[in-house]
Amino acid sequence: DVKVTQSSRYLVKRTGEKVFLECVQDMDHENMFWYRQDPGLGLRLIYFSYDVKMKEKGDIPEGYSVSREKKERFSLILESASTNQTSMYLCASRQTGGGYEQYFGPGTRLTVT
Amino acid sequence: GQQVMQIPQYQHVQEGEDFTTYCNSSTTLSNIQWYKQRPGGHPVFLIQLVKSGEVKKQKRLTFQFGEAKKNSSLHITATQTTDVGTYFCAGPSGYALNFGKGTSLLVTP
Repeated sequence: DVKVTQSSRYLVKRTGEKVFLECVQDMDHENMFWYRQDPGLGLRLIYFSYDVKMKEKGDIPEGYSVSREKKERFSLILESASTNQTSMYLCASRQTGGGYEQYFGPGTRLTVT
Repeated sequence: GQQVMQIPQYQHVQEGEDFTTYCNSSTTLSNIQWYKQRPGGHPVFLIQLVKSGEVKKQKRLTFQFGEAKKNSSLHITATQTTDVGTYFCAGPSGYALNFGKGTSLLVTP
């Protein structure tokens, strides 16, 4: 069965901390994505990666960075967490090519205090 | 860039009533996908539409893709409490998908 896993379901961090969110997929997908989801704002794309070591900015990359050293793993990094980064973070993966569905992980609810 | 707009943002119905959500794109889409997110869950793929004017059914759910391939709709007949959740449409945008903001459906028994 297809699976995208995220390292934590809930995370509480302090302002200014460096935060790592990890995502792993077991489907050998080329593309991986990080979204944040906030009430009324839908799914907003932070960064995505279409290959190992390749990354592209999404709609809201400010304050975030990413790392993809292995095909199955995509990390989201908050260099210096701020309270406005309190949100639900969803990782997803997808095969390259038209018409392929996107698989989401269970999400990490991050609270920055 | 491409914008995908979805209306309404919220819908509250009595169980047994019908429900429709609409998706409109600023550009022609090669395909459109629909996802459902249950409360506390993550988005799960429902269906993809590719052809102009295409209509697909999944039990009580009917999906349509407009003739111009710029709009789509999801219609649920006789809603049930299990239909509660947020429904998203998404169009391709390079390697990524461009998601609408979703329609949250609440069904009262």
